[in-house]
Amino acid sequence: DGGITQSPKYLFRKEGQNVTLSCEQNLNHDAMYWYRQDPGQGLRLIYYSQIVNDFQKGDIAEGYSVSREKKESFPLTVTSAQKNPTAFYLCASRRASGYNEQFFGPGTRLTVL
Amino acid sequence: SQQGEEDPQALSIQEGENATMNCSYKTSINNLQWYRQNSGRGLVHLILIRSNEREKHSGRLRVTLDTSKKSSSLLITASRAADTASYFCATVARGDFGNEKLTFGTGTRLTIIP
Repeated sequence: DGGITQSPKYLFRKEGQNVTLSCEQNLNHDAMYWYRQDPGQGLRLIYYSQIVNDFQKGDIAEGYSVSREKKESFPLTVTSAQKNPTAFYLCASRRASGYNEQFFGPGTRLTVL
Repeated sequence: SQQGEEDPQALSIQEGENATMNCSYKTSINNLQWYRQNSGRGLVHLILIRSNEREKHSGRLRVTLDTSKKSSSLLITASRAADTASYFCATVARGDFGNEKLTFGTGTRLTIIP
């Protein structure tokens, strides 16, 4: 049963704490992406990775960090430097260059208390 | 940056009617894609249209693309209650081969009234 999983589904964090969101895919996809979605808005790109051990900043990378040590995994850390972290976070993957469709995980809703 | 703008922001129609939503974008594109999002869930890819195509069909979906006007439309025919969702257009910029980052619009919230 192939797909993208994100955990946890809901996450609560106190101000000043770092938190890591998990994203795993067993689709053998090369590229992975992290997006942020605010209420009533579209998706904005945070970071993306085309291959293992390489990643690039998206449009709103400040206050976030990522790693890509394995092809299957692309965790996102929301640091205390992110001023307004409460949002819905979506991870996606894509097979390879030339295959344009992105497959999305179910999302993690992060709330800062 | 939000390149696409969807119109209308919200649309309510009776079940069985057709639903049309529009997307405008700003820069030259390689392709344009439409996605659906059910409330609180991830996105699901619906259809992709390349910059050299003008129209594409998939089941009850029909997408058109007018690159001279930098706009696209998504038509859902014979709507069903299960079509209730938010619909987003997303573009891949021309020359972005290899990265193929998606730039999303703000979405249209579609409600089908039974």
